[in-house]
Amino acid sequence: LAKTTQPISMDSYEGQEVNITCSHNNIATNDYITWYQQFPSQGPRFIIQGYKTKVTNEVASLFIPADRKSSTLSLPRVSLSDTAVYYCLVGAPWAGNNRKLIWGLGTSLAVNP
Amino acid sequence: EPEVTQTPSHQVTQMGQEVILRCVPISNHLYFYWYRQILGQKVEFLVSFYNNEISEKSEIFDDQFSVERPDGSNFTLKIRSTKLEDSAMYFCASSPGHAGELFFGEGSRLTVL
Repeated sequence: LAKTTQPISMDSYEGQEVNITCSHNNIATNDYITWYQQFPSQGPRFIIQGYKTKVTNEVASLFIPADRKSSTLSLPRVSLSDTAVYYCLVGAPWAGNNRKLIWGLGTSLAVNP
Repeated sequence: EPEVTQTPSHQVTQMGQEVILRCVPISNHLYFYWYRQILGQKVEFLVSFYNNEISEKSEIFDDQFSVERPDGSNFTLKIRSTKLEDSAMYFCASSPGHAGELFFGEGSRLTVL
């Protein structure tokens, strides 16, 4: 099962772009990279998922280099409400494939005024 | 927007008592999960459920735990005889399928006294 490493915490200011990098050196061929956001006392919320290159949605971009051993979540122009814990997960959460996502401690992002 | 709903939001119980946590996954999803998160710690996988049976479970999911999908909508987690260390936030999640994102509920906070 692929293990991920990401910074424990980051600080930013409103309006800045935030990039959170995650390393996953032993990612497997069939693994996807998925990022979740979690606010205190709430369930994690899906942000973005990708397999390779770049994925963009309305809230974030995900950059994945060719070797797929790392990925970077990019949050454009953060606001105070983006203060949360961000988790990088590698694997496939589906049931019948004997894989389960391993959650690390995530990156605690603090956005300051 | 469809969502995963969990009840109760908070339950306080005495050690040794049985607890049932309930979840209503998103209606067209096929894969169901329970996770738990002890305060300040990692999200931990408990069990995944597909096609009316457990597809994978973690070391945490011992004989005290069971899951059931008694009808077409509910997905329950039963803890037969609660221990102090079972105090945690329990999250239900569902997924539409293979490599799909996990949709989490808001969680059920269990406090064992």
